[in-house]
Amino acid sequence: KQEVTQIPAALSVPEGENLVLNCSFTDSAIYNLQWFRQDPGKGLTSLLLIQSSQREQTSGRLNASLDKSSGRSTLYIAASQPGDSATYLCALSSNTGKLIFGQGTTLQVKP
Amino acid sequence: GAGVSQSPSNKVTEKGKDVELRCDPISGHTALYWYRQSLGQGLEFLIYFQGNSAPDKSGLPSDRFSAERTGGSVSTLTIQRTQQEDSAVYLCASSLRGEGSYEQYFGPGTRLTVT
Repeated sequence: KQEVTQIPAALSVPEGENLVLNCSFTDSAIYNLQWFRQDPGKGLTSLLLIQSSQREQTSGRLNASLDKSSGRSTLYIAASQPGDSATYLCALSSNTGKLIFGQGTTLQVKP
Repeated sequence: GAGVSQSPSNKVTEKGKDVELRCDPISGHTALYWYRQSLGQGLEFLIYFQGNSAPDKSGLPSDRFSAERTGGSVSTLTIQRTQQEDSAVYLCASSLRGEGSYEQYFGPGTRLTVT
């Protein structure tokens, strides 16, 4: 059974700092990995999707990497801003697209 | 274009009542997913539709939960005889195809409170 773990559960950093969020999983037979952002009381916004054959994806200040052999993904946020404050979720996809989520990392970026 | 929409955004109901939650996926998306987000459990998969059929219902927590999808578009999640533990945010997502390589797009969710 696939299990997804995100560390740390919460993170507080000063504005401008570069940071890394971690996601680990137990079964390397995945189809893709998605990173989502969730603001309080809101739905999920897709940030990056990495296909199983890819190693990384970049969008603006965000970079996500995938290492299936070690069961790990990281989300790198460069030059963090207060507007980046949110909960970040990683999710692994099965062959039907069913997503299995981690518990999330709640990020606070202080001005 | 329009994203995934869900209604109602909030629903408060008394224990024992039935509720219906609605999801309108992105036009042209053949796959539709329901998830539940609760404080103690995080985000959990409930059911997956490909077209009008539901090949994976493995996440439905009890037989009080059912869902249908008509015309390959709108889906309704029904909870019968609601219990307090059903209180959660119910999220719907759609993707172009029901295959693992496609990105999922989520709606804003329905917050259900059972009193």
